[in-house]
Amino acid sequence: AQSVTQLGSHVSVSEGALVLLRCNYSSSVPPYLFWYVQYPNQGLQLLLKYTSAATLVKGINGFEAEFKKSETSFHLTKPSAHMSDAAEYFCAVSEQDGANNLFFGTGTRLTVIP
Amino acid sequence: NAGVTQTPKFQVLKTGQSMTLQCAQDMNHEYMSWYRQDPGMGLRLIHYSVGAGITDQGEVPNGYNVSRSTTEDFPLRLLSAAPSQTSVYFCASSFASGTYEQYFGPGTRLTVT
Repeated sequence: AQSVTQLGSHVSVSEGALVLLRCNYSSSVPPYLFWYVQYPNQGLQLLLKYTSAATLVKGINGFEAEFKKSETSFHLTKPSAHMSDAAEYFCAVSEQDGANNLFFGTGTRLTVIP
Repeated sequence: NAGVTQTPKFQVLKTGQSMTLQCAQDMNHEYMSWYRQDPGMGLRLIHYSVGAGITDQGEVPNGYNVSRSTTEDFPLRLLSAAPSQTSVYFCASSFASGTYEQYFGPGTRLTVT
């Protein structure tokens, strides 16, 4: 079964600083990997996805993530944090088994300090 | 396109009551699913469907029923509500093949007293 670990339930960064949100997965085969963002009282919005193409994936709002098979990681980064980035971020995996079920991490709440 | 819509947005139930959470999508997606979100636990899959007439259980199916009579609709039924079902419920949909990007509805916040 898939599992996803997000290290750090809360991360605080200063405006303009690097954002790094960590995600590790366990899977016997390389899965599809996703980062979703959730703003307060809203649904989830896809930031980016890895689907066996380029290992460095660029998403919306200046975010990117790198798939590292040897480390089973898919960390999310952004060079310079904006106040509007404050939200909860979820890493998720989907097995390539014909179903489309997502297994989510527990989420990381990002606070941006002015 | 309205995308994925959910009704109601908020609901308060008493223990033992039943209700149906509605979910609809207008993107002709084959795959639809229900997740519940609880603090510190992320989202967990309740039930899913890969097409009309086909449903299956996810991680936490107990206490919930689903059916899929049309491509567009995927209602979630709580048969006898319990306080443990207090949660935020999200419906999602996607195409059944390809890169599996799922589109989420705005959520239903359910409180069971």
